[in-house]
Amino acid sequence: DAGITQSPRHKVTETGTPVTLRCHQTENHRYMYWYRQDPGHGLRLIHYSYGVKDTDKGEVSDGYSVSRSKTEDFLLTLESATSSQTSVYFCAISGWDGYNEQFFGPGTRLTVL
Amino acid sequence: AQSVTQLGSHVSVSEGALVLLRCNYSSSVPPYLFWYVQYPNQGLQLLLKYTSAATLVKGINGFEAEFKKSETSFHLTKPSAHMSDAAEYFCAVSGGDSSYKLIFGSGTRLLVRP
Repeated sequence: DAGITQSPRHKVTETGTPVTLRCHQTENHRYMYWYRQDPGHGLRLIHYSYGVKDTDKGEVSDGYSVSRSKTEDFLLTLESATSSQTSVYFCAISGWDGYNEQFFGPGTRLTVL
Repeated sequence: AQSVTQLGSHVSVSEGALVLLRCNYSSSVPPYLFWYVQYPNQGLQLLLKYTSAATLVKGINGFEAEFKKSETSFHLTKPSAHMSDAAEYFCAVSGGDSSYKLIFGSGTRLLVRP
């Protein structure tokens, strides 16, 4: 299995509070991604990174920011959590083999009350 | 823009029966196609991938998929379902200007009846 960990694995927070989720990889892969998974929507891309300090928006980026100061860590921050951000969040990595096979972490279940 | 459609949010089969999960894609460039499986409370695991080397792709756990350009399809099959196949399955596409992204279908939950 690809070495990807996510922390925390579960979190309950209140509306309006900031939340940071961490993704850590040991594969030295260049590309890292944050997705959210909601019933009926599959996985939707929030943000991705193509190198240290190089990030870009995905299709559902509003209300989220990211940072990548080291190759191995990719942080997702909900600046002011809302109930609509209750979801399961997955991190993925890719070594860019030309066709973008991605490897996924175990997920973080976030509940915003 | 690329997109993926998975027909049927739920598919139910008997143990030992054929599994057929449908995936149709839209892409203006030759696509790369993937099937992922997600077991309860776990992340996604790659089942198989199409990268233009061969139209019939074999994956793990006895699954295979056939790329049909004329039908823009990449359906997932397994000759004989096992109880352990019960999971959610996602089809995804990448390529062209979106080659750094995976576009996912909405998923199909496979139920296997004893």
